[in-house]
Amino acid sequence: DVKVTQSSRYLVKRTGEKVFLECVQDMDHENMFWYRQDPGLGLRLIYFSYDVKMKEKGDIPEGYSVSREKKERFSLILESASTNQTSMYLCASSWDYRPYEQYFGPGTRLTVT
Amino acid sequence: ELKVEQNPLFLSMQEGKNYTIYCNYSTTSDRLYWYRQDPGKSLESLFVLLSNGAVKQEGRLMASLDTKARLSTLHITAAVHDLSATYFCAVDIGNTPLVFGKGTRLSVIA
Repeated sequence: DVKVTQSSRYLVKRTGEKVFLECVQDMDHENMFWYRQDPGLGLRLIYFSYDVKMKEKGDIPEGYSVSREKKERFSLILESASTNQTSMYLCASSWDYRPYEQYFGPGTRLTVT
Repeated sequence: ELKVEQNPLFLSMQEGKNYTIYCNYSTTSDRLYWYRQDPGKSLESLFVLLSNGAVKQEGRLMASLDTKARLSTLHITAAVHDLSATYFCAVDIGNTPLVFGKGTRLSVIA
């Protein structure tokens, strides 16, 4: 079974802190994704990566950065957390050949106070 | 730009009833996925539809894909409370991120 894990289920941080969210997958997937989910707004893509050290901006990259130093690990970084980044963050991964079905991690609910 | 529209966005249905959730998309694609999300949880894969006319069934849920109409349906038969969740469709147009619908929040009531 594909397994995607995220470093924390719940996280509380203060405004201005640097926040790291980590995602690890064990299926040797090339593609990895970070989404945020807010009520009424569905899933919004923040960043994705097709390979190690590669990254692409999604729909809402502002205020975020990412790092992919190893194939299995994709980190989302909030350089200076703000209250409007309070959200559920979901990581996903997929192969780079069809089908491109995405497998999701359990999510991290981040609260910025 | 690919647009994916689900309807309804909210659905309250009685136990035992049947209903259909619709997923329309705007660009040619022959691959579509359905996911389920329970409150406070992540997305879990339900169905993978990989060709025109594909039909998949599991329990009280059946999904189908009509690529010519650019439409997928998720049919619920004799709903039970355990099916209460949010259901997302996602369209695959190649090696790019899937494009998700906004989700249909289903509530099954006695």
